[in-house]
This record gives sequence, C-alpha cells and structure tokens, in this order.
Amino acid sequence: DQQVKQNSPSLSVQEGRISILNCDYTNSMFDYFLWYKKYPAEGPTFLISISSIKDKNEDGRFTVFLNKSAKHLSLHIVPSQPGDSAVYFCAASNSGGSNYKLTFGKGTLLTVNP
Amino acid sequence: NAGVMQNPRHLVRRRGQEARLRCSPMKGHSHVYWYRQLPEEGLKFMVYLQKENIIDESGMPKERFSAEFPKEGPSILRIQQVVRGDSAAYFCASSPRRDRGLNEQFFGPGTRLTVL
Repeated sequence: DQQVKQNSPSLSVQEGRISILNCDYTNSMFDYFLWYKKYPAEGPTFLISISSIKDKNEDGRFTVFLNKSAKHLSLHIVPSQPGDSAVYFCAASNSGGSNYKLTFGKGTLLTVNP
Repeated sequence: NAGVMQNPRHLVRRRGQEARLRCSPMKGHSHVYWYRQLPEEGLKFMVYLQKENIIDESGMPKERFSAEFPKEGPSILRIQQVVRGDSAAYFCASSPRRDRGLNEQFFGPGTRLTVL
C-alpha cells in the first residue's frame, strides 16, 4: 500500500526552464510534507517543506504547492540548473504521535540539460 | 565533518553471515532513525531510537534484525543470517529533538549492503 506516490520516474528539462515534480498521497492524516534531493552514492538532503495549514512555501528557486483537497503537492524549480539533476523524493508525516516516521515516494529522477 | 556518518559505505556478505551497520549522528543530535531503500523503491522507515532506548521498531522485520543506540558510541543496525533480499541501501538519519510538527531529519550517506 503506497501512501505517497510519485508517478513520474523521470523528468528531463532544459536549463533555465521550469521543472515541476509531482506527488500524490492517500493518507489524510499526513499534515507535513517534505522534499528531499538525492545525488548518487549520497544520502537524501532536505530541500523544502510545507505544513498542511499552508498552500505554498517558497525558498529561492524552489516553491512547493499543496492542494489538500486533491491530496497533491508539487515542487517547482525555476530556473532549473544542471546542478539540480538528482533524484527528488517527496515525503510525508503526521504531526501527531508518529511525526518522526517519514513516508517516502519512490522518487523522480530530474535531468537538467545544458 | 559535522554530518551524519555511516560506515562502512559498502558491505558485502555471503548468505548466512552477519552484517553490522554503524551510524554516528550529527553532533548534538540524540534521536536516530534507520531507513531501508530497496532497488527501485523509496526509503522505508525501520526504527527510531534515542540513547539506550528503542522508541519505535514497527518497520523492522520481525526476525534477524535488531538495532541499538548505546549510551556511548554509534547506533548499530545488526542483521543476522543475511539473505539476498536484505541487499539494499540502509540510511541513518538524526535529529536534535522531536518537536511536534515538522521533524526535519538529516541523513547520512548510507551503507550499501550486497548479499552474495
């Protein structure tokens, strides 16, 4: 039972354009969402997060949008740079008793072409 | 290096042997989490530990797997009598505390276990 789904295994974008990575979830108890970036042979690195009380959070080139009614979130990267090429994982947690338990999607491999 | 450290980075074992994976959390962090990533999958929670305490091991397989975080030294994930299906990347994460709400975890580089 996959509670966090990233349906696009890969995405290819030209440098300077926008990258949009999507994530869907099924568990209505999730109320914190995080995006992690992962390079090969390294651990995931925290990128940006959003609480369910918000619908948008922005940090530099990265913006996360949350649509609670659709149980959908997306990560926008503008403008995309070749160094952004990595696997991006969407993760979710419940701020209640088990907020330490992150549930991850399978990841989307983003390739930014120069 | 103030990050989460894991060793070894790569570990090869034959079926039936034991695997010991070590994790040193970031300085000042007393909460440790272990995750496993099988090929083509996302990371899956295994266990949450504080010093000398297992808080939640609901993601650990019932047999052959154990974890500890002693008062002194690193956290250890131990897999006894390994099987080929144990081949995966094992990631450790740490956090300074467990706040309500967002619980940002900092991940180590992982240990890639290969069982022959």
